[in-house]
Amino acid sequence: QKEVEQNSGPLSVPEGAIASLNCTYSDRGSQSFFWYRQYSGKSPELIMFIYSNGDKEDGRFTAQLNKASQYVSLLIRDSQPSDSATYLCAVAASGGFKTIFGAGTRLFVKA
Amino acid sequence: KAGVTQTPRYLIKTRGQQVTLSCSPISGHRSVSWYQQTPGQGLQFLFEYFSETQRNKGNFPGRFSGRQFSNSRSEMNVSTLELGDSALYLCASNAHDEQFFGPGTRLTVL
Repeated sequence: QKEVEQNSGPLSVPEGAIASLNCTYSDRGSQSFFWYRQYSGKSPELIMFIYSNGDKEDGRFTAQLNKASQYVSLLIRDSQPSDSATYLCAVAASGGFKTIFGAGTRLFVKA
Repeated sequence: KAGVTQTPRYLIKTRGQQVTLSCSPISGHRSVSWYQQTPGQGLQFLFEYFSETQRNKGNFPGRFSGRQFSNSRSEMNVSTLELGDSALYLCASNAHDEQFFGPGTRLTVL
């Protein structure tokens, strides 16, 4: 079993729709949870991080964490073609920056 | 504020050679992490350095090593290169639970 699992996609949504990206993790000791976006040929860039159960909103993005179910999700509202990218879920235990990444979900937003 | 710098950006080596990659983090950041990214395995954690000490290590063979200098610049070294070491090597500058990735070094092993 992989430590961080994501549906590889591709996930295709029309412009203006909500894109829902999901991730599960295996290490119950994980403390920090991250979503990164990576455009083709570019480096990952941090979208959001979340530590506590529940929702965290930042603009069009909402991260959701359920530690009991070991589940993290990212919702993108009003999706735009510029949101088309690979979205990486990552988790880290406490004590430094040993971050374990999922394989990523490719998102396509159709204009 | 300058971003993360990685040099060189591209590198071609042959099997059996060794290579050294360099990373300069964001000014003031004391932690640097290294990752290998390949199409098959995705982003994999190599190691993390904090104040010149290795704080965390991934599951890579001993051919992969690193170090950090007093100015927080970091280097990673891969000895006895194998074809499978061809990858994008990313350095991240870390602070306050955020990681800022550099542009990466694309290593090709022939």
